Amino acid sequence: IAGITQAPTSQILAAGRRMTLRCTQDMRHNAMYWYRQDLGLGLRLIHYSNTAGTTGKGEVPDGYSVSRANTDDFPLTLASAVPSQTSVYFCASSLEDRAGHNEQFFGPGTRLTVL
Amino acid sequence: ELKVEQNPLFLSMQEGKNYTIYCNYSTTSDRLYWYRQDPGKSLESLFVLLSNGAVKQEGRLMASLDTKARLSTLHITAAVHDLSATYFCAVALDTSGTYKYIFGTGTRLKVLA
Repeated sequence: IAGITQAPTSQILAAGRRMTLRCTQDMRHNAMYWYRQDLGLGLRLIHYSNTAGTTGKGEVPDGYSVSRANTDDFPLTLASAVPSQTSVYFCASSLEDRAGHNEQFFGPGTRLTVL
Repeated sequence: ELKVEQNPLFLSMQEGKNYTIYCNYSTTSDRLYWYRQDPGKSLESLFVLLSNGAVKQEGRLMASLDTKARLSTLHITAAVHDLSATYFCAVALDTSGTYKYIFGTGTRLKVLA
């Protein structure tokens, strides 16, 4: 693995189904993030994690949950998908360090369609 | 609540021309980022601006930050077709030691040959 990966690349899902989007990074970054991107709305933060074992809510957390059992993985779960969750989902990571510049590195994205 | 506004939202320009994209934000922050996104692709980091007056340049792009005015600019010099993409600014919000990143809605740039 080089950088940050996401799976699946795309998915069509029936409403009401449960779905987990996977994100893995091998850069030993402590912080990880999930965004959704919708046309005209830019990227909106869903959840984030500053370090393994901790998570926080972003701008649009409802309907989503995350976990951070280790440094590398940050899965995003939709417990019961709804059509409004149709979007492109990006995972990102950064090395959060007050002395550093902690730019975010983004995964390739997952295109999710909920019917 | 931190709001980040970019303008213009759409920009069509001729090759060889100069133009500036603006990013305004509503709450104090000393960290601002610029990203580029090509259609159907992920985001690529362009610039990281960490202090008032910071200026960074890469090729035909130059970014600056004025934290007092809560304004960042991305200036394009002598545009070329390869610069066609969507550009996002993002502002870091410090919430009790945790940084959240709020993105602008993006500026879609099309450079015409």
